[in-house]
Amino acid sequence: AQSVTQLGSHVSVSEGALVLLRCNYSSSVPPYLFWYVQYPNQGLQLLLKYTTGATLVKGINGFEAEFKKSETSFHLTKPSAHMSDAAEYFCAVSEPHFGNEKLTFGTGTRLTIIP
Amino acid sequence: SQTIHQWPATLVQPVGSPLSLECTVEGTSNPNLYWYRQAAGRGLQLLFYSVGIGQISSEVPQNLSASRPQDWQFILSSKKLLLSDSGFYLCAWTEELLNQPQHFGDGTRLSIL
Repeated sequence: AQSVTQLGSHVSVSEGALVLLRCNYSSSVPPYLFWYVQYPNQGLQLLLKYTTGATLVKGINGFEAEFKKSETSFHLTKPSAHMSDAAEYFCAVSEPHFGNEKLTFGTGTRLTIIP
Repeated sequence: SQTIHQWPATLVQPVGSPLSLECTVEGTSNPNLYWYRQAAGRGLQLLFYSVGIGQISSEVPQNLSASRPQDWQFILSSKKLLLSDSGFYLCAWTEELLNQPQHFGDGTRLSIL
C-alpha cells in the first residue's frame, strides 16, 4: 500500500527566502508523484508531477521538485518566496493502474509568507 | 478545454436531512471521476471513484453513496446526514489514460447542524 508523509504541518518563510516543503512516500512499485496547491475555499490545483524520466521536475509559479528514489522523497522547492505563495500544499502518490489511478494524499503543509 | 463544476459551493443542513451534491465535467469523454472529503488536518480522503456510467467503487464504509447516471455527471448522496459528515467535499476527474493527473473542482463546504 502506498502512503505519503509531509513533515511539518505549518511552515513559515520570509518573503524572498527559499521555500522547502518536505514529502516522503512509500510505494511497492515505482510511483507517480504529484504536488498540489490549495488556496482557501478552493479546489486543488496541480503544481507539478513526476512519472518517469528526468528526476527534477519544474512546475508552475516557479516551483520545482526532485524525485530521489534512494531517499523515497519528493521535496518541493522555490528559490524565492512571494506573498502569493501562501496556501496549503499537498503531496500525493499514485501507483499506476491503467484506467484508474488512485491518489493517496499527505495531510498537507500550510505555507505562511512573512513580509 | 475541459471544465469541472461542483455545486453548491456551501451548504448547511440539519442532522438527519438528505444530501445531494453534484459534479459535472465538460469537454472530455469517459473520464474517471472521484469524490474526496477533506477534514482539517487530515488531508484528502477518497470516498468514491467511477470509471464509467453506473460503475461506482467505494473506498470507505460510510453514510454516503455515489451515482453516475451520465458519463459527465457524478452525484454524492446521503439519506440521513450525520454530524460527522461535515467537511469540504471535492470532486475530481482524470482522463482514462495512464500518467494523467487529477483535476479538481472548487469544492462544497458542508456544515451539519
